[in-house]
Amino acid sequence: KNEVEQSPQNLTAQEGEFITINCSYSVGISALHWLQQHPGGGIVSLFMLSSGKKKHGRLIATINIQEKHSSLHITASHPRDSAVYICAVTFQGAQKLVFGQGTRLTINP
Amino acid sequence: DAGVIQSPRHEVTEMGQEVTLRCKPISGHNSLFWYRQTMMRGLELLIYFNNNVPIDDSGMPEDRFSAKMPNASFSTLKIQPSEPRDSAVYFCASRPGTRYEKLFFGSGTQLSVL
Repeated sequence: KNEVEQSPQNLTAQEGEFITINCSYSVGISALHWLQQHPGGGIVSLFMLSSGKKKHGRLIATINIQEKHSSLHITASHPRDSAVYICAVTFQGAQKLVFGQGTRLTINP
Repeated sequence: DAGVIQSPRHEVTEMGQEVTLRCKPISGHNSLFWYRQTMMRGLELLIYFNNNVPIDDSGMPEDRFSAKMPNASFSTLKIQPSEPRDSAVYFCASRPGTRYEKLFFGSGTQLSVL
């Protein structure tokens, strides 16, 4: 079965802390997405990657194809980073995205 | 560009009524997706179109749901008749072309069926 698992489900941290959110998937993929959903409900695509690492500002996304695992890191976290972070993958041979259940991140000042 | 535009933002209706959700993708994007988000099931793909043609509608719950894309700049998702269990946030998203590109989401339609 094609599955996507995220951990942790909930994460609370203090401002300034380094944050790591993990995503594991069951079989080979052609692409992996990290999405951000703010309390207002809007969804923003942060990264799309199929190998290696990508960086945008304080956000870094990595993927290990052999281990079927991706991580999203946030450096110098800030309360405005509080959101739900969702991992989604396109499995090989398929077209559609399969979503993880999301990680709810809360950064306290 | 204004991004992906969805309407209405909120819809409250009574069970049995017809509901129509609308989406305008980003100009030039070839693929359009309809997703549903609930607390219990998270985000789920309902249907997606490529160049206005439905490619995969296996996520459409049942015959009460239908989606159309009459042209490259407009799509509708219709529920008839609506039921309370259809209450969810419905998102439309588009992307330029292949599966190796980012998705751009609309703001969603919050649907409540009483």
